[in-house]
Amino acid sequence: DQQVKQNSPSLSVQEGRISILNCDYTNSMFDYFLWYKKYPAEGPTFLISISSIKDKNEDGRFTVFLNKSAKHLSLHIVPSQPGDSAVYFCAASGDSGYALNFGKGTSLLVTP
Amino acid sequence: DGGITQSPKYLFRKEGQNVTLSCEQNLNHDAMYWYRQDPGQGLRLIYYSQIVNDFQKGDIAEGYSVSREKKESFPLTVTSAQKNPTAFYLCASSVAATIGGYTFGSGTRLTVV
Repeated sequence: DQQVKQNSPSLSVQEGRISILNCDYTNSMFDYFLWYKKYPAEGPTFLISISSIKDKNEDGRFTVFLNKSAKHLSLHIVPSQPGDSAVYFCAASGDSGYALNFGKGTSLLVTP
Repeated sequence: DGGITQSPKYLFRKEGQNVTLSCEQNLNHDAMYWYRQDPGQGLRLIYYSQIVNDFQKGDIAEGYSVSREKKESFPLTVTSAQKNPTAFYLCASSVAATIGGYTFGSGTRLTVV
């Protein structure tokens, strides 16, 4: 059963605009959330994370928002750049030790 | 430079053969992980190890085996019992005392013909 869900398989955004990627989770024991970025045939790279004690974490163009009551988090990329085109995975931890649970990913395409 | 090395990048095997995927890290990380990626399935956990000589099954461990004899190495064997072994396999590591910020290898694409 998928505990981390990314319901949008793909997203297309124009360069310079905001990209919003969404993620929902079902396990209330999760207390740490992360976003990873992945290019084809490469391993994912860590992008940004947030602890459940916070509701927002910002790093440059990337901001993650956490709504614990809704069990929802989102990644905002502003402004979006063509180099941001990749698959973004949401991940969560807290239930099974240190192993992360990943969503299925959202493929972001930023067009010039 | 510290990192994780997976080898080979592409691997072809005949159906019914066991195959071992290599994963080596020089980050001095205690924890190591194996994930499998299939189209539309995201990353699914196969096995993980938090310390040498200890490992736990993940969500899809059937048909796979691992060993953790050295801190630096966490090889994954895909056995003939794995019904659908063709996939992209990713190894990762992390500092056991902290979570998040996994370092991933570049992956191995296994194709069984």
